[in-house]
Amino acid sequence: EIVLTQSPGTLSLSPGERATLSCRASQSVSSSYLAWYQQKPGQAPRLLIYGASSRATGIPDRFSGSGSGTDFTLTISRLEPEDFAVYYCQQYGSSLWTFGQGTKVESK
Amino acid sequence: EVQLLESGGDLAQPGGSLRLSCAASGFTFSTFAMSWVRQAPGKGLEWVSAISESGGHTNYADSVKGRFTISRDNSRNTLFLQMNSLRAEDTAVYFCAREMHGSIYSFDYWGQGTLVTVSS
Repeated sequence: EIVLTQSPGTLSLSPGERATLSCRASQSVSSSYLAWYQQKPGQAPRLLIYGASSRATGIPDRFSGSGSGTDFTLTISRLEPEDFAVYYCQQYGSSLWTFGQGTKVESK
Repeated sequence: EVQLLESGGDLAQPGGSLRLSCAASGFTFSTFAMSWVRQAPGKGLEWVSAISESGGHTNYADSVKGRFTISRDNSRNTLFLQMNSLRAEDTAVYFCAREMHGSIYSFDYWGQGTLVTVSS
């Protein structure tokens, strides 16, 4: 089973700042099968990025994904107040899906 | 509008059973693979089980294999999760999620979840 490790655990930033979130896999992941989700308290997760770098429908272009192999990054270019949330990476391989433990982006 | 509505969550005793349902609308249910994903209180997301469009192929996380069974009724646009031999560690909000078309293996729509509590 591929383990995804996200860092940092918590990111304290101000609105307008740039957020860089990391997702590292225990073994190589197909870029086609790497996704990022946003979750706010009491809500279901929301798909942001699929295929490592493709934005899902309706996702603003301040969200971008990059990476390959074992290292992937989600970047939020300029934080808006509604972006403070928990972010999860997710991969698929060998008929199993796994999620990272999450990165919380909080307002400083 | 795509909608997924889970139901069936409840308080259950250790060793007991529950059956979760997920009613789908706003899309052609029979053409999408589906999954269940759970989230223990204050914790992260854990994939539980997946089922193919026809129901002919299923997969399970090791943590639930042999205890949970995923199924679907395409005539009723409904996804199910039969949960047996429940344990305290199964306590979580259970989400149903739609898998994107095109062998992308990401989940583009999620329900709001149903809470399962396992406690004596």
